[in-house]
Amino acid sequence: AQSVTQPDIHITVSEGASLELRCNYSYGATPYLFWYVQSPGQGLQLLLKYFSGDTLVQGIKGFEAEFKRSQSSFNLRKPSVHWSDAAEYFCAVGGYNKLIFGAGTRLAVHP
Amino acid sequence: SQTIHQWPATLVQPVGSPLSLECTVEGTSNPNLYWYRQAAGRGLQLLFYSVGIGQISSEVPQNLSASRPQDRQFILSSKKLLLSDSGFYLCAWSSGGSGGASETQYFGPGTRLLVL
Repeated sequence: AQSVTQPDIHITVSEGASLELRCNYSYGATPYLFWYVQSPGQGLQLLLKYFSGDTLVQGIKGFEAEFKRSQSSFNLRKPSVHWSDAAEYFCAVGGYNKLIFGAGTRLAVHP
Repeated sequence: SQTIHQWPATLVQPVGSPLSLECTVEGTSNPNLYWYRQAAGRGLQLLFYSVGIGQISSEVPQNLSASRPQDRQFILSSKKLLLSDSGFYLCAWSSGGSGGASETQYFGPGTRLLVL
């Protein structure tokens, strides 16, 4: 069965520090992978997606993610975190007519 | 450009009362439409999706129902709300067609429902 695991429920980083959010997926075929961000009380905004080709994907707001098939991972990274990046981040894998989401990682940013 | 609207933004309802949440999409035709629920501190649970007018697929059997009376309108309903129906309800759309795994979903602003 398709599934997505985000091992870290909460992460706290200092402003200006680097960030990596982990995502592991289970999918039988070539996965289509997504990262979304949700600010408190808001809907989800697409950060980036991977369909094929270059395994390093650039997204909005300075985020990038790397697809590693051998590790079944699609980790999200940012070299320098800003206070406005505090939010919840969801990884998802595309299924037929649906997205399968991970449970999310809540990011807190200390000044 | 495409936009997605949800209303109301916030709703407080007593247990046992009916519910109707509406979602509309502009700027596209024949979209796939989705309803998700997000309980406090938890991830997203897909409730219903629709690939066309009158076509509804239910993911989780429960107290809720969905309808799609028009191409770009998706309604979430309940005849009698339960306390457990409280949560944040998100509508989403994708470009539709093949229903393939590569379709990006775009989310609305959400409706926060509190059942007392």
